Amino acid sequence: KAGVTQTPRYLIKTRGQQVTLSCSPISGHRSVSWYQQTPGQGLQFLFEYFSETQRNKGNFPGRFSGRQFSNSRSEMNVSTLELGDSALYLCASLGDPSTEAFFGQGTRLTVV
Amino acid sequence: TQLLEQSPQFLSIQEGENLTVYCNSSSVFSSLQWYRQEPGEGPVLLVTVVTGGEVKKLKRLTFQFGDARKDSSLHITAAQPGDTGLYLCAGLRMNRDDKIIFGKGTRLHILP
Repeated sequence: KAGVTQTPRYLIKTRGQQVTLSCSPISGHRSVSWYQQTPGQGLQFLFEYFSETQRNKGNFPGRFSGRQFSNSRSEMNVSTLELGDSALYLCASLGDPSTEAFFGQGTRLTVV
Repeated sequence: TQLLEQSPQFLSIQEGENLTVYCNSSSVFSSLQWYRQEPGEGPVLLVTVVTGGEVKKLKRLTFQFGDARKDSSLHITAAQPGDTGLYLCAGLRMNRDDKIIFGKGTRLHILP
């Protein structure tokens, strides 16, 4: 069974640009969650999608958005990038019921 | 306010020593999970505990869920350099249709 795939692994962007990150969950999993991880704040929840609908949302500005497709693949978008958006972005695939999260390797985003 | 408090934040010990890290909350959880994360990678699920008082063993790692389902501990016997990493606890609160909550983690470093 293939694991969670996140692309790209590394990304360097300049302030003001926008970025799109992709996540393919474990086959059969319908729930995908996104997290931002920084050394100071730990894992912070961005949002969760289930069957193409946003089910939960964290406390991030509207510059952070996401969507989920019918095949459960998910994308997250960050517009008007700021230096503080530099982080490891992790996608988690959750089974149903979603008590355990299976993570991808993450996308390391650096904003310069 | 952090719903899951992990302690200590950092721990550096010699190879061969024993250690215990803690995960505490004032909330009741239906289940708790422990993850280990290595630098630049996503967290990897180690174990899920579900029943109050439950003890699970994974080789040299022993996980315990508190009787009241508000806390958990991870004990490592005879620590090895391969145990180095960030240990995260996470869980779903009881009777809450909610996202998985993560603690900030304990960063463990085992010195050879």
